[in-house]
Amino acid sequence: NAGVTQTPKFQVLKTGQSMTLQCAQDMNHNSMYWYRQDPGMGLRLIYYSASEGTTDKGEVPNGYNVSRLNKREFSLRLESAAPSQTSVYFCASRGTGYNQPQHFGDGTRLSIL
Amino acid sequence: AQSVTQLDSQVPVFEEAPVELRCNYSSSVSVYLFWYVQYPNQGLQLLLKYLSGSTLVESINGFEAEFNKSQTSFHLRKPSVHISDTAEYFCAVSDQGDDKIIFGKGTRLHILP
Repeated sequence: NAGVTQTPKFQVLKTGQSMTLQCAQDMNHNSMYWYRQDPGMGLRLIYYSASEGTTDKGEVPNGYNVSRLNKREFSLRLESAAPSQTSVYFCASRGTGYNQPQHFGDGTRLSIL
Repeated sequence: AQSVTQLDSQVPVFEEAPVELRCNYSSSVSVYLFWYVQYPNQGLQLLLKYLSGSTLVESINGFEAEFNKSQTSFHLRKPSVHISDTAEYFCAVSDQGDDKIIFGKGTRLHILP
């Protein structure tokens, strides 16, 4: 069972470079999410997609864009990376129903120099 | 808006001693509650969940949590911790009508030998 798969696992970028983080889930979930995790800050929601074709901003959307390519895939793009975007990024998916938990990928560790 | 408070950012405890990790949420008519565990360099994994029914829920590795509606709490307990329980623990809440799950900032559990 693959669950939620994130690629790449690690990446180092220079300031100003662009990059797309990929996420795919094989559980036929409608909802998908992108978070960033920083020490002492917990998880902060960047963007989410409640269904194919829709996306909404979360708590910290500035500097990011997302694409819900199809039901399986939800990508996160940094157009011009900044050192403040150094973080661990997690993708999650969730089945239909407010009593459903989220399922997380293993994360992408991104460093911006 | 829903919020989740984890009162302790770090909890040190000796091996084989009991532990309680505290979680409080803002009141709501109908909520679903979750505890997630994050082992070092991994994503979040669902530990246990409260949806309805018995207020005491258990996980397969000896943790339990009790839903207390009057105190709006969902504290996590284990009667005897093991070194393998070293991890960060996140409490999370889902509301009816909200696609997002709200996470606390996490509690880091340190097991002392």
